[in-house]
Amino acid sequence: SQQGEEDPQALSIQEGENATMNCSYKTSINNLQWYRQNSGRGLVHLILIRSNEREKHSGRLRVTLDTSKKSSSLLITASRAADTASYFCAPDTSGSRLTFGEGTQLTVNP
Amino acid sequence: EADIYQTPRYLVIGTGKKITLECSQTMGHDKMYWYQQDPGMELHLIHYSYGVNSTEKGDLSSESTVSRIRTEHFPLTLESARPSHTSQYLCASRQGGEKLFFGSGTQLSVL
Repeated sequence: SQQGEEDPQALSIQEGENATMNCSYKTSINNLQWYRQNSGRGLVHLILIRSNEREKHSGRLRVTLDTSKKSSSLLITASRAADTASYFCAPDTSGSRLTFGEGTQLTVNP
Repeated sequence: EADIYQTPRYLVIGTGKKITLECSQTMGHDKMYWYQQDPGMELHLIHYSYGVNSTEKGDLSSESTVSRIRTEHFPLTLESARPSHTSQYLCASRQGGEKLFFGSGTQLSVL
C-alpha cells in the first residue's frame, strides 16, 4: 500500500475564503479518498474519486485527480469556521490496505 | 450515521494489565482496520482483516493482537500494557474498495 502526502501541513484562512489542499502519491491507484477529522474523533469520509475520473463535486467540495502527475487536490469553497479540521487523503491501490499521511490542518478564522 | 462502535471511549489502566479494545460494525463489511494515532499526528495502520479468520499486520510494529471470528467483530488485545501504548486507537470498516467508516475511537492512557 502507499500513503498520500498532503500539502501544506497547515493552512490558515479567513471565513469566506477558499481552501485548497494537495495530495501526492507514488504508484497507480484504483481510487483516491479524502477524509476529514475533527480533533479527537474518528475520520469522516468526504469524497472518493476513481482513477478514470478527473473531477468530482460534493456541495462546497471539489476534488480533482491527475493520474499522470499522481496528484489530487481538495478545494473547499466559501469556507466556514466549522470547516476547521484535519484533512487526509488516502490513495487506494488494491482495495485492501488503506493508509494515511500526516494530513493538512485547516484553520478557518471567523 | 456510521454503524461502527468502539468501546470503551476512554480507558486509563496500569502498566502490565491485559486490555481488549472492542470494535463492532453492523453493516456486514468484509474489511476491518485498526489505526493508532497520537494527537496531531498521522494515522498508523496496525492491523487489518479481509474477512473472517483473516488478519494481517499493518505498517506499524505493534505488540497488540487481533482476531476476526465473526464478520461484525474485530477486537484488539494488548497482553501487557505499557506507557508507550498510550494513544488513540481508531477502528474502521468498509466493503470491498469503497469508503471507510470510522468509529469514535478509544483514548488509551497507560500509567
